[in-house]
Parts: sequence; C-alpha cells; structure tokens
Amino acid sequence: QKEVEQDPGPLSVPEGAIVSLNCTYSNSAFQYFMWYRQYSRKGPELLMYTYSSGNKEDGRFTAQVDKSSKYISLFIRDSQPSDSATYLCAMKRAGNTPLVFGKGTRLSVIA
Amino acid sequence: GAVVSQHPSRVICKSGTSVKIECRSLDFQATTMFWYRQFPKQSLMLMATSNEGSKATYEQGVEKDKFLINHASLTLSTLTVASAHPEDSSFYICSAEGPDKSGELFFGEGSRLTVL
Repeated sequence: QKEVEQDPGPLSVPEGAIVSLNCTYSNSAFQYFMWYRQYSRKGPELLMYTYSSGNKEDGRFTAQVDKSSKYISLFIRDSQPSDSATYLCAMKRAGNTPLVFGKGTRLSVIA
Repeated sequence: GAVVSQHPSRVICKSGTSVKIECRSLDFQATTMFWYRQFPKQSLMLMATSNEGSKATYEQGVEKDKFLINHASLTLSTLTVASAHPEDSSFYICSAEGPDKSGELFFGEGSRLTVL
C-alpha cells in the first residue's frame, strides 16, 4: 500500500460546480497536510495548509482533515476554468521532514 | 511567505554533459533542502535530502554518484546531474522549510532538464 493514495482522474466539471478532491494515507505519523495546485510545466503552488484534524477555509477553497479515517479533502466552490490544473495532496511528519505527495488529480473546468 | 529560487528554469543539453541546478533560499536560512523529481504526468518523488555541511541522504533507487548534491551554505544547495542521459530528462524541484518552522515547505520554480 502506498503511503498516500490519490485518484489521478481526469476529472471534468462544468463551470460553477463544486469540486471534491480526496486523498487517503496510511502513515498515522503525518501531522501536516497540504494541497498544491500545479499548472502544466510549472512548479507546485501551495493552496491550503492544515495542521492536524479539522477544516480550513480560504475563499472558494475548503480543506478538511480527518485523522481518524486518514482521509483529507479539498473542496472548490464555484469552480472556474482557471482552476483547471493538477491538484496534489501532500503530507509530512513533524520536524524538518520531506513532503510525501499523492499522484495528483487532473481537473478540467469547462466553461 | 519564504522564497526559494531555482536556476536555471530550463536547460537543454547533449547526452554525456553534466548539468548543475542551484536552489537558493532568498530571505531565510535553510539547513535542510529537499530535492524532488517529477516525470511527465507523474507526481513529485523525493530524490534526496540535502543537509548543510554534511552528506546528502538519498532515497532508495537514486544513484548518489549520478545526482551529486552539495549544500555548502545555509542558503544554497546544488544538484549536479553527472553525465546526463535522455532518461534523466525530467522536472527537478527543490524545497525548504520556512523560517518559522511551522512545517510548511516552500518550493522553487523548478528546473526542466531535457537531455538530447
């Protein structure tokens, strides 16, 4: 079993839809959970950063972490064509440790 | 947020050439930097952990004699791809933990290597 599992998609939705992206993980030591957006041929851009369990909202984006289920989600409300990108979940243990990434989900928002 | 800068952003070279990629923390000191590699339509895979003043720690399957990492100062880590071959063509990205030690990692812009 991989440490982080993420459905690669592709996921195609109409403009204005609510998008739900998810990851599961197996390592209970993970404490920091992040979502990155990556456009083609660019480096990853941090969208959301959550420590431990709970919800976090930032504009149209909401991140949820359920450590008991080892499950994290990213919701995008009122999706826009400019949201079309690959979304990567990532997580890490405490301390100066590297991120472990999911495979990424390719999202297309159709106008 | 903290800024991590990578250079060059793109390099095209002939097979057998050695290529150096620089990763700098611009406004903070980074005792540890992480180097990732991303093949097309794949996720980021950790290659090695670069530690200032000591040897890098390589992930399983990564050849340390091919991917030479030097972290000579608190703001600079370099990755040298020795005698590059077409299969080394990839997107290389470095990252470092920010100065507040909150766990958040900041990424460079990435360096796209194409070996002909």
